[in-house]
Amino acid sequence: AQRVTQPEKLLSVFKGAPVELKCNYSYSGSPELFWYVQYSRQRLQLLLRHISRESIKGFTADLNKGETSFHLKKPFAQEEDSAMYYCALIVSSNYKLTFGKGTLLTVNP
Amino acid sequence: NAGVMQNPRHLVRRRGQEARLRCSPMKGHSHVYWYRQLPEEGLKFMVYLQKENIIDESGMPKERFSAEFPKEGPSILRIQQVVRGDSAAYFCASSLEPGLLQETQYFGPGTRLLVL
Repeated sequence: AQRVTQPEKLLSVFKGAPVELKCNYSYSGSPELFWYVQYSRQRLQLLLRHISRESIKGFTADLNKGETSFHLKKPFAQEEDSAMYYCALIVSSNYKLTFGKGTLLTVNP
Repeated sequence: NAGVMQNPRHLVRRRGQEARLRCSPMKGHSHVYWYRQLPEEGLKFMVYLQKENIIDESGMPKERFSAEFPKEGPSILRIQQVVRGDSAAYFCASSLEPGLLQETQYFGPGTRLLVL
């Protein structure tokens, strides 16, 4: 069965510092990877997905099949980036999202 | 478009009572998914429904839990004879057509169930 691991439960950085939220997955095939974000008192929303290869709010994520990773990066963190971030995957043509436990990012002023 | 709606947002029940959680999908969406998030855990898939059909309930406990998505009205997740271990956040998501490239599941705000 597939699994998503987010090794950091909490991550704290200062405004303007680079940030990297780690995500590793285990699945023998080719999954589709996502990052979801949940800001305080808001619903879970899609931040980005690897097939789109786009940058959202300055965040990027590259799928590394060799290391089975999909780390989320931003070169200069902003206070408004403080939120809970979840990495998730779907196996090909399926519908079940498998989530990691999440990383709470705090960006300090 | 108001997005996926869930109610109630918070629900308190005593052990042995029933809990009913409602989910209205986004306008135009006919596919609904329920996920459960236990404390300190990630969201876990429970069930996938289309109108009047349960497609996949492999993630749902075999006893006390049931789900439906009637032709008219919201999807309902029903938990009978709740126990303390049912305390969790229950999220509903909806989509247009799963499995398609670029398809996305849109999540509701969740229902936080507390069993006393």
